[in-house]
Amino acid sequence: RKEVEQDPGPFNVPEGATVAFNCTYSNSASQSFFWYRQDCRKEPKLLMSVYSSGNEDGRFTAQLNRASQYISLLIRDSKLSDSATYLCVVKAYSSASKIIFGSGTRLSIRP
Amino acid sequence: EAQVTQNPRYLITVTGKKLTVTCSQNMNHEYMSWYRQDPGLGLRQIYYSMNVEVTDKGDVPEGYKVSRKEKRNFPLILESPSPNQTSLYFCASGTDKNTEAFFGQGTRLTVV
Repeated sequence: RKEVEQDPGPFNVPEGATVAFNCTYSNSASQSFFWYRQDCRKEPKLLMSVYSSGNEDGRFTAQLNRASQYISLLIRDSKLSDSATYLCVVKAYSSASKIIFGSGTRLSIRP
Repeated sequence: EAQVTQNPRYLITVTGKKLTVTCSQNMNHEYMSWYRQDPGLGLRQIYYSMNVEVTDKGDVPEGYKVSRKEKRNFPLILESPSPNQTSLYFCASGTDKNTEAFFGQGTRLTVV
């Protein structure tokens, strides 16, 4: 089982729709969580951190469920420009830090 | 403009010929790291550095070396590249401990 798993998609939704996807992690010692977006052939860009209390930034909401070991990303009123691959990132701190990127969920917004 | 700069952006080389991919950031970040990205495997960390002269192995360090002599630079060295090191490489930097806040534009390496 992968340490961080994401549904690869693609999710194909109409503009204006609300879309959500999850990311599960297996290491219960994980302490920090993030969402990145990556456009085709480009570098990943930090989208938002995921806090225990949840985090909202405009149309984007990220949540953490430690009990079930997953994080989620919700996008409301989706725009064409939201089309990208969304990567979840999980970090665990111990004697040496460990950072794991998910393989990404591909999102395509259609007009 | 705040940025992480990698060079070269594209490189085709032959097996065994030593190469260096440079990475430089202009944000005075203490933390820098290197990743490779392969289809179906996502980004995997090669090495990271918490500060000058401090480097540590990531998940896939075999076949790579790094150095951190100055805060702004974190070159990735392949002493004897092999075809399985053909990949897309990203350098990243950040302010907080282990935070990949900014990524470089990537270096697409092909080893034949």
